[in-house]
Amino acid sequence: DQQVKQNSPSLSVQEGRISILNCDYTNSMFDYFLWYKKYPAEGPTFLISISSIKDKNEDGRFTVFLNKSAKHLSLHIVPSQPGDSAVYFCAASASQGSQGNLIFGKGTKLSVKP
Amino acid sequence: EAGVAQSPRYKIIEKRQSVAFWCNPISGHATLYWYQQILGQGPKLLIQFQNNGVVDDSQLPKDRFSAERLKGVDSTLKIQPAKLEDSAVYLCASSQSPLSGEQFFGPGTRLTVL
Repeated sequence: DQQVKQNSPSLSVQEGRISILNCDYTNSMFDYFLWYKKYPAEGPTFLISISSIKDKNEDGRFTVFLNKSAKHLSLHIVPSQPGDSAVYFCAASASQGSQGNLIFGKGTKLSVKP
Repeated sequence: EAGVAQSPRYKIIEKRQSVAFWCNPISGHATLYWYQQILGQGPKLLIQFQNNGVVDDSQLPKDRFSAERLKGVDSTLKIQPAKLEDSAVYLCASSQSPLSGEQFFGPGTRLTVL
């Protein structure tokens, strides 16, 4: 049973426009959420995170929104750039009882076209 | 600051053979993780170490997989004997502590079992 779901395997966006990547989760114990970016033949690199006590976190062109009631989070990239083309993974963890283990979604492949 | 190092980067073996992967975490990081990432999936935790002790190995197939972290620094993951379904990228990650949030990933080892 997938606890973290990224239902869109791929997304194509024009350069300069907004990219919105979505993630849903089922475990109400999750209280910390992260987005990782992965280029081919490299390991995932941390992008941005959000704690469940917030509903928004912003870092430059990247903003993550958290809707706890809907168990949904999204990553907004504005403006999108060709270098943003990568696979984006949503991950979640529970601070209680799980030793901080991350549960990952399947990823969404973002293509930003010039 | 040097990142997480892994070797080898690629390995091709035949089923029933043995294979070992090595990981050197970021200096000072007490927590080390091994993940398995099958094509089209997100990373799945196999085992988590805190210093040289195992914190969570609930998803490690212990009949064929083993891991150790002697002296609380480097770690080795072994598969013996390998099966076709073990073909995946094996990622090592480290963090300062289990609940520090962000995990730093190495480039991974791509294993192909023929």
